[in-house]
Amino acid sequence: DGGITQSPKYLFRKEGQNVTLSCEQNLNHDAMYWYRQDPGQGLRLIYYSQIVNDFQKGDIAEGYSVSREKKESFPLTVTSAQKNPTAFYLCASSIGTGQYEQYFGPGTRLTVT
Amino acid sequence: GENVEQHPSTLSVQEGDSAVIKCTYSDSASNYFPWYKQELGKGPQLIIDIRSNVGEKKDQRIAVTLNKTAKHFSLHITETQPEDSAVYFCAASKSGNTPLVFGKGTRLSVIA
Repeated sequence: DGGITQSPKYLFRKEGQNVTLSCEQNLNHDAMYWYRQDPGQGLRLIYYSQIVNDFQKGDIAEGYSVSREKKESFPLTVTSAQKNPTAFYLCASSIGTGQYEQYFGPGTRLTVT
Repeated sequence: GENVEQHPSTLSVQEGDSAVIKCTYSDSASNYFPWYKQELGKGPQLIIDIRSNVGEKKDQRIAVTLNKTAKHFSLHITETQPEDSAVYFCAASKSGNTPLVFGKGTRLSVIA
């Protein structure tokens, strides 16, 4: 089965802790993305990567970090510097950046207390 | 940068009626406009897209129209069914490697 997997589905952390969200794809896509979804806010781009070992900041990158060491994997770290980390996080991939269909994972709901 | 406004934020229709969701964009260089559907507990999925060289595109009960002059595009769903209930997102991008910019979404409820 080809697709994108995100794990875990639900994640709970204490304030002040860094947490890493996993995103894996077996679609052989070059581009990968991380979005944050809050009620009434739509999909806001955190980081994206066009190719291995390269990534760019999106609109709300502050308090987040990413790596792209392998084509299949694009983990997102939510650092303690992120002021409001509780949210639903979606990972996506596409053949290329820009005008290609994006395939989304099922998301991870992060709750920080 | 690009800004995409989407209206309405919520929409309720009776089963069998039509639903229309509208989006406006700010960057006249944008030329690709996809629509995504997000069902409860899932990630969004592409349902239809349109490029700026056409004014309308249809796929069964779904259609998208584009007015480049006014910088707005719309999603039309005819003969709505309960399974159309979801959150719909419009997006826009321009040529090159610029990522999509999404609207804030419309929650559509189809009442049986």
